[in-house]
Amino acid sequence: NFMLTQPHSVSESPGKTVTISCTRSSGNIASNYVQWYQRRPGSAPTAVIYENNQRPSGVPDRFSGSIDSSSNSASLTISGLKTEDEADYYCQSYDSNHVVFGGGTKLTVL
Amino acid sequence: QVQVVESGGGVVQPGRSLRLSCAASEFTFSNYGMHWVRQAPGKGLEWVAVIWYDGSKKYYTDSVKGRFTISRDNSKNTLYLQMNSLRVEDTAVYYCARGQLALIWYFHLWGRGTLVTVSS
Repeated sequence: NFMLTQPHSVSESPGKTVTISCTRSSGNIASNYVQWYQRRPGSAPTAVIYENNQRPSGVPDRFSGSIDSSSNSASLTISGLKTEDEADYYCQSYDSNHVVFGGGTKLTVL
Repeated sequence: QVQVVESGGGVVQPGRSLRLSCAASEFTFSNYGMHWVRQAPGKGLEWVAVIWYDGSKKYYTDSVKGRFTISRDNSKNTLYLQMNSLRVEDTAVYYCARGQLALIWYFHLWGRGTLVTVSS
């Protein structure tokens, strides 16, 4: 099975834009959809992006997702950062009936 | 409202068993594939198992294969995880998650989790 690698942490100021990467170790990133989940302390995870770049209803358009086959990676971009965006973010994909999560990225908004 | 609620967690000794339940409400449970996902203390999310909407197919992560069994009772709108031969490293919050109709691998709805602690 493949692995998804994310940076351990990122930080940015309110109002700025941040991008979190998720690199697939083997196999084509475009072969299987990538999802992104937000997990705030004490809360269950919620999806912010599904199928690479789709936003679930209720998720603001400040959140966007993309994939890049040249780097075999996916990215989550959050623009106009707010303090409420501070959370852990996980990318997720699948292959051969197994699910893989990235290790998670802690976003600090300061 | 549409939700899933886990129960059955607790403290158990290594080698013992525990059964988790996940009660679904306000949606047609029998239409959806369901998953268990866990998060160990200080660690990231780890997928555990999936079961097809009709129970016909089940898949597991390697570390629980042969020890855990996922099942469902569509007449009771309930998902289960039977955990046998528990290990200290199985200590985690266990989440029940619903797949999306069009893509079972997209966790569209999550519960709040139930804590399992394996300790002597």
